[in-house]
Amino acid sequence: EIVLTQSPATLSLSPGERATLSCRASQSVSSYLAWYQQKPGQAPRLLIYDASSRATGIPDRFSGSGSGTDFTLTISSLEPEDFAVYYCQQRSNWPLTFGGGTKVEIK
Amino acid sequence: QAQLQQSGPGLVKPSQTLSLTCTVPGGSIRSGDYYWSWIRQHPGKGLEWIGYIYYSGSTYYNPSLQSRVSISVDMSKNQFSLKLTSVTAADTAVYYCASTDSIGFYYFYWGQGTLVTVSS
Repeated sequence: EIVLTQSPATLSLSPGERATLSCRASQSVSSYLAWYQQKPGQAPRLLIYDASSRATGIPDRFSGSGSGTDFTLTISSLEPEDFAVYYCQQRSNWPLTFGGGTKVEIK
Repeated sequence: QAQLQQSGPGLVKPSQTLSLTCTVPGGSIRSGDYYWSWIRQHPGKGLEWIGYIYYSGSTYYNPSLQSRVSISVDMSKNQFSLKLTSVTAADTAVYYCASTDSIGFYYFYWGQGTLVTVSS
């Protein structure tokens, strides 16, 4: 199965700062990668799919890039509601797999 | 955010069968646009994909759980269900039902999550 490795595990930033999260795949997933946001006690929310397409209703401060094995989620200017855990997910190969997550916390 | 409605017990005894149900709004469970899935999250950990069912009844399961898992659909009730047999403490997790959209195997719609604890 494809292993997705996210880094860093924790990102400590202040509101208004730029966040850059990484997801690396153990083999190419082409552009078949998504990003989710999860807040405590809630289900994940889809932010980005196919590496760079924003899901409906997602603010444009969220952007995704990359292809093959290296992907990035960028939050251009952190809002208070953006502090959460972020997961990547690939749909290139079965079984579907998720990364271990990056926690974005308030500095 | 949760648009699917989950139900089922939060406590299961070791060696027994975990059973959860997810109710889908409207008649969309009959639509060929969606794949109905289960995903779990161990306490404080990441997400693990369990499997899916299509409206036709076709299924695919994570090989790591394949021998113990089954997912079924009941169109008359707009529901799909998860059964996981021979549970142990390692199956303690929050279980989510989720569905894709026509775009592909990404999860646009989620249930609220059910914490299932395996304990005697």
